[in-house]
Amino acid sequence: NAGVMQNPRHLVRRRGQEARLRCSPMKGHSHVYWYRQLPEEGLKFMVYLQKENIIDESGMPKERFSAEFPKEGPSILRIQQVVRGDSAAYFCASSPRGLLSYEQYFGPGTRLTVT
Amino acid sequence: AQSVTQLDSHVSVSEGTPVLLRCNYSSSYSPSLFWYVQHPNKGLQLLLKYTSAATLVKGINGFEAEFKKSETSFHLTKPSAHMSDAAEYFCVVREGFQKLVFGTGTRLLVSP
Repeated sequence: NAGVMQNPRHLVRRRGQEARLRCSPMKGHSHVYWYRQLPEEGLKFMVYLQKENIIDESGMPKERFSAEFPKEGPSILRIQQVVRGDSAAYFCASSPRGLLSYEQYFGPGTRLTVT
Repeated sequence: AQSVTQLDSHVSVSEGTPVLLRCNYSSSYSPSLFWYVQHPNKGLQLLLKYTSAATLVKGINGFEAEFKKSETSFHLTKPSAHMSDAAEYFCVVREGFQKLVFGTGTRLLVSP
């Protein structure tokens, strides 16, 4: 059973460009979470999605960031008009259910560098 | 809101000696607590979790943690460090149903 897949693993964008980060959850998992890790910091929750629904986006910046998890295909975290401060590692996690008893399994992350 | 505080940003030990990584939590109700490990340029791996069952929790790779309500602590220990244990360790508390709140991390350095 393949784990959580993220691609690309490394992404370089110039200021003002768009960044698209993809996350394929583990097989059988329908809940996806995105976290951001700034340099020398812990992970910060961004958004929690189920298929075709955003459940909790309380950690998402109000502008330029969006996330989706369509019925078919991977979850996408989209950052428009990137700025240097967006440089970070973005981690995706998945779980089979949105219940307390289910742990989150993390992917290897996408490291975004904005030049 | 739930939070965790990792008291040491770096811990250095020699191979074969005990490991202690400290974590204190703040929670208005019985928390769900976790320890995750992150090796360089890798994703996070769950070491162990506490969900109000036994207060002493055993995890993978010889790690264990003890939940102490009176001290609001959830320290991670291992009797004998191995070189492969060198990594970043995160203490984590669950907030609400699914949001995880991470501490700032403790970097464990293991010398031969």
